[in-house]
Amino acid sequence: DTEVTQTPKHLVMGMTNKKSLKCEQHMGHRAMYWYKQKAKKPPELMFVYSYEKLSINESVPSRFSPECPNSSLLNLHLHALQPEDSALYLCASSQDFDRGIYNEQFFGPGTRLTVL
Amino acid sequence: SQQGEEDPQALSIQEGENATMNCSYKTSINNLQWYRQNSGRGLVHLILIRSNEREKHSGRLRVTLDTSKKSSSLLITASRAADTASYFCATANQAGTALIFGKGTTLSVSS
Repeated sequence: DTEVTQTPKHLVMGMTNKKSLKCEQHMGHRAMYWYKQKAKKPPELMFVYSYEKLSINESVPSRFSPECPNSSLLNLHLHALQPEDSALYLCASSQDFDRGIYNEQFFGPGTRLTVL
Repeated sequence: SQQGEEDPQALSIQEGENATMNCSYKTSINNLQWYRQNSGRGLVHLILIRSNEREKHSGRLRVTLDTSKKSSSLLITASRAADTASYFCATANQAGTALIFGKGTTLSVSS
């Protein structure tokens, strides 16, 4: 199984809502990532988990809260988001994570988030 | 700041033609990767070229790397309509903390 799955595919939420994005992989990868992608822009890294521990937080606002319950699952908890947070949120995984030596990443299809 | 910059931003060709995209980056690298993204979907890894490699092939793809010029090129030969997508190069940032994607080249292949 070389697939990264993400749910939901689409999410519309108000600024006072709390929601969660879910990502799953069964490739035995030890590193998982959250990216944010605005329209017509490249993906931007948000978080890196390595061996279920948060390794990198790219100065992401606290209204985004990642969680890695186990080696196959990655969640992104959303609370009090702003309309400018509307974007495609992509999850990815890789065999492992070494600072400065990024290897092949496998991406999920993304969750299209709209904040009203 | 972005590490990679693709050129051109957009490219339109006919099926059967070759497509060449270029990427320039700013700092020293361990490797450089190319990804494809179909509209509004996840990215697909195409090829990884290490800093000590000069050329790499994968099917209809050919990637070159010139570390002295800090540049890479992706050549897609005999293009097909299904190659229509955005193509991004990606390298690690200077601190080694993030994979930074370039702005991308949008390729349109018409039949």
